[in-house]
This record gives sequence, C-alpha cells and structure tokens, in this order.
Amino acid sequence: AQKVTQAQTEISVVEKEDVTLDCVYETRDTTYYLFWYKQPPSGELVFLIRRNSFDEQNEISGRYSWNFQKSTSSFNFTITASQVVDSAVYFCALSDYGQNFVFGPGTRLSVLP
Amino acid sequence: NAGVMQNPRHLVRRRGQEARLRCSPMKGHSHVYWYRQLPEEGLKFMVYLQKENIIDESGMPKERFSAEFPKEGPSILRIQQVVRGDSAAYFCASSPSTSGRGEETQYFGPGTRLLVL
Repeated sequence: AQKVTQAQTEISVVEKEDVTLDCVYETRDTTYYLFWYKQPPSGELVFLIRRNSFDEQNEISGRYSWNFQKSTSSFNFTITASQVVDSAVYFCALSDYGQNFVFGPGTRLSVLP
Repeated sequence: NAGVMQNPRHLVRRRGQEARLRCSPMKGHSHVYWYRQLPEEGLKFMVYLQKENIIDESGMPKERFSAEFPKEGPSILRIQQVVRGDSAAYFCASSPSTSGRGEETQYFGPGTRLLVL
C-alpha cells in the first residue's frame, strides 16, 4: 500500500529564512510519481512539481527546490528566502503507475513578516 | 484556457437533503477525480472516472455517495441524505492521461465547500 508522511504539522519562520518541508513515502512499485501541491488560504490547490521515480535529479525553480532521495524514500521541498505569500498548506502526494493517488496530511507553513 | 471548474463553490444543506456537486474538467482532459478534504485534514481520494465509466471508486463510501461522468456535461458527485459528517471541501481534478492515472499531473478545481446544518 502507498503511504505519504509529512511529519511536520506546522512550521513558522520569519520572512527571508529558508525552510524545508519533509516528505517521506512508501510504495512497493518501481515506477511511481511524486508531487507537491500548495493550498493557500483561499483554498484552491496549486500544482508545484511532478517527479517520476527514474529521475533523481534535484530541481530548482526560482526560490523553490526539491531534493529527491530514493535511498531514503524522501522528496523534500525547500523554499529559499521565504516570503509572506508562501504561507499555505503544502501537500506531498504519491501516485503509482495507473493506480492510487495518495496525499500526505500536509504541512502548514506560516511565514511571518 | 479555463482550468478545472467546480460549482457551486459553497453549498449549504440540511440533514437529509441531497447535495449535487459539479465538475467541468479542463479542455482536452478526459479523466476526472474526486477528493474530500475534511477540516484540518489532507485530501482523501474518492473516485476516478473517465467518460461514462467509473474506473476506481475504492475511496467512495458505500452508501449515499455516487458519481458519474456522462458523455456530455460535467462530472457529478451526488450525496444523498447528507449528514453533518459530510461537511467538507470536495475537490475535483482532471488529467489528460491516456495510459495510466498516475502518469499525468492532476489539475485541481477550486473546490466546493459543503456545509451540512
């Protein structure tokens, strides 16, 4: 069975600090996909990134970066120089090939001015 | 290029009434997924549909809940005889996948907030 754990329920940082959101997953499949979504206070879900299991290259997009480590089954998300607008709940999700799509419980990030 | 659309955005029902939630996928997307988000919780998968077919309904409660995605028109999530515990945000997502649900990114609608009084 697939499972996604986001051990950090809530994180508070001061603006301009860097922050890393942890995501640990479990799956028996060799082919799978990992995602991060952002849910701002307005409630919608915003797609951030998708990574397949064969691509362990880290990715950087502006202030966002993702560290995929198959050896530890982790797909961590780092925000550099955080801003107040980054305040949201962030969900990590796992999808196996053609089957389940499982979300973690989310991490609530508060960035204080 | 409209995204996934859901309506209504907010729905209030009294216990025992029916709730009908609609989802129009993105243009060109033929796969629809419904999720429920209870207050202060993550999203839970409910059902996965393609046009006129239910592919996976393993997350749907066995009673009172049903979903459809007709050949024409939006996907509908129907909850009969609602109870207070049905109060939640219901999100719809769509993807263009033709070869496997997990392969494609799911794009989410804004959600419908259901409140059962």
